[in-house]
Amino acid sequence: TQLLEQSPQFLSIQEGENLTVYCNSSSVFSSLQWYRQEPGEGPVLLVTVVTGGEVKKLKRLTFQFGDARKDSSLHITAAQPGDTGLYLCAGTYTGSARQLTFGSGTQLTVLP
Amino acid sequence: EAGVAQSPRYKIIEKRQSVAFWCNPISGHATLYWYQQILGQGPKLLIQFQNNGVVDDSQLPKDRFSAERLKGVDSTLKIQPAKLEDSAVYLCASSPAGAGANVLTFGAGSRLTVL
Repeated sequence: TQLLEQSPQFLSIQEGENLTVYCNSSSVFSSLQWYRQEPGEGPVLLVTVVTGGEVKKLKRLTFQFGDARKDSSLHITAAQPGDTGLYLCAGTYTGSARQLTFGSGTQLTVLP
Repeated sequence: EAGVAQSPRYKIIEKRQSVAFWCNPISGHATLYWYQQILGQGPKLLIQFQNNGVVDDSQLPKDRFSAERLKGVDSTLKIQPAKLEDSAVYLCASSPAGAGANVLTFGAGSRLTVL
């Protein structure tokens, strides 16, 4: 079973602060995705990264894929209360026939 | 575009009872997934269908869980008999074939509580 570790598990910050959450594995991903999930809803896809070293920006969110394609980070600048949610990374491992494995998530709370 | 529809949204049953969840994917999406999300954890894939065939059911507890997608459109996930540890949110997702195959759209989930 492939393991995908996310850290921190919980994060509570004040509005306007910056934060970074991490996603790590001992195995190589063929692609990696980040999702955000709000209470009572399903996860919503934010971004997909496929190339080692790739950086993608989505407004105040910056996603980075590690050079070796084993890790990824999500950086949020000037967090807002609307950013509150569960952030999940999910990877497809090389040779896994497109099965998507999820991490356990980072629960982010942004206080006004 | 209508999203992935799931029902019921909530279900409370006693252990050893049975329960069924229904999912209607986005129209035209070839692949349908059932995930189990236990509180505090990420979703775990239970079964993946491509049209009406099973692609992966390696993590489905087949002694109590079953799923079908008879006409390659909507799907039903059944648990019989339920155990306490089956309490979770059951998420259905779908994705198109081809270039967008790794773009999953999730439904809101069905929350099961087993007493």
